[in-house]
Amino acid sequence: NAGVTQTPKFQVLKTGQSMTLQCAQDMNHEYMSWYRQDPGMGLRLIHYSVGAGITDQGEVPNGYNVSRSTTEDFPLRLLSAAPSQTSVYFCASSYGLGKNQPQHFGDGTRLSIL
Amino acid sequence: LAKTTQPISMDSYEGQEVNITCSHNNIATNDYITWYQQFPSQGPRFIIQGYKTKVTNEVASLFIPADRKSSTLSLPRVSLSDTAVYYCLVGDGGGADGLTFGKGTHLIIQP
Repeated sequence: NAGVTQTPKFQVLKTGQSMTLQCAQDMNHEYMSWYRQDPGMGLRLIHYSVGAGITDQGEVPNGYNVSRSTTEDFPLRLLSAAPSQTSVYFCASSYGLGKNQPQHFGDGTRLSIL
Repeated sequence: LAKTTQPISMDSYEGQEVNITCSHNNIATNDYITWYQQFPSQGPRFIIQGYKTKVTNEVASLFIPADRKSSTLSLPRVSLSDTAVYYCLVGDGGGADGLTFGKGTHLIIQP
């Protein structure tokens, strides 16, 4: 089983560029989410989705956009990259609504904004 | 938000039992307590989850007292490969359906 797959693994952008981080899961999970992790910090929730066509904001949504057209995919878009968005981004999925369900994480996308 | 407090770091030696305690004074009635493990350059990995009393699986045990205001993750006979960051999480009592990750406990196992 592939589980949660994130692409790319590494990316370097210039300030102002846009890009999409891809996330796909093959476990038929309804709940998916995006987190960012900064050095020495825990994970902070950016956006989440409880099913296809439904998304909502997490703790740090500014500068990011998401959509959920299928159950399997949950891309994260950076609209205009800023150095403050340099981070490691993790996508996660779970069977249920997330709070009390074990989350399955991808291995992350390491993003540097110059 | 239900916040958690854990030690920033802990040291131990191979073969020892390690206990990491987490405080969560504002845990909601319906919330479970979940622990994750994270190695460098990897995403967090689910270890164990419980609601009350004791839960045990092939990796760890989780002890939760009756008042549920704290919990203890117990790792039996640790090895060098158990060096990682361990996160204690409780469900959010309302609002966004996400997990609140703190800074975790950096566990370092020495030979």
